[in-house]
Amino acid sequence: KAGVTQTPRYLIKTRGQQVTLSCSPISGHRSVSWYQQTPGQGLQFLFEYFSETQRNKGNFPGRFSGRQFSNSRSEMNVSTLELGDSALYLCASSLNQLGRETQYFGPGTRLLVL
Amino acid sequence: TQLLEQSPQFLSIQEGENLTVYCNSSSVFSSLQWYRQEPGEGPVLLVTVVTGGEVKKLKRLTFQFGDARKDSSLHITAAQPGDTGLYLCAGDRGNKLTFGTGTQLKVEL
Repeated sequence: KAGVTQTPRYLIKTRGQQVTLSCSPISGHRSVSWYQQTPGQGLQFLFEYFSETQRNKGNFPGRFSGRQFSNSRSEMNVSTLELGDSALYLCASSLNQLGRETQYFGPGTRLLVL
Repeated sequence: TQLLEQSPQFLSIQEGENLTVYCNSSSVFSSLQWYRQEPGEGPVLLVTVVTGGEVKKLKRLTFQFGDARKDSSLHITAAQPGDTGLYLCAGDRGNKLTFGTGTQLKVEL
């Protein structure tokens, strides 16, 4: 069974631009969660989608948004990029809702904002 | 405010040594998970502890959940270079995971 895949793996953007990251969960998994990982703040929860609905949201500004499609694939979007948005963005999938199932993480998308 | 504090933050030891990593919080969690993350990869789940006082062993790794379900420890016996990585604890409060600050472990020959 293929693992969680994330595209692109690396991305360089400039301040003010917007970016869309993609996550394909493990086949059959319905929950997708997104995390931001930085050296200073560690791994922080962004949001969780389950059956195309956002179920939980972390403490991030509205510039961070996401969506989930009917095939469980998910995208997250960051608008008006800031230097501080440079981070590794991780996606994780689980069979059912977060907290009740094992999460499987993808390799991440490393975003650099210049 | 970081809900889960891990200590130590960095650890560099020689092969064969033992070590313990701590994960502490003032909050109660319904379960606590330990992950290991290697460079260029996402975290991989090592274990989930659910019951207060629970001890789980995974080969040379021993995980313990505190009686009050607020803290946990990871003990590695006879560390090997393959144990090198970032160790993360994560507390589950029912709707989202809160990750600890991380412990970067390096095991040298």
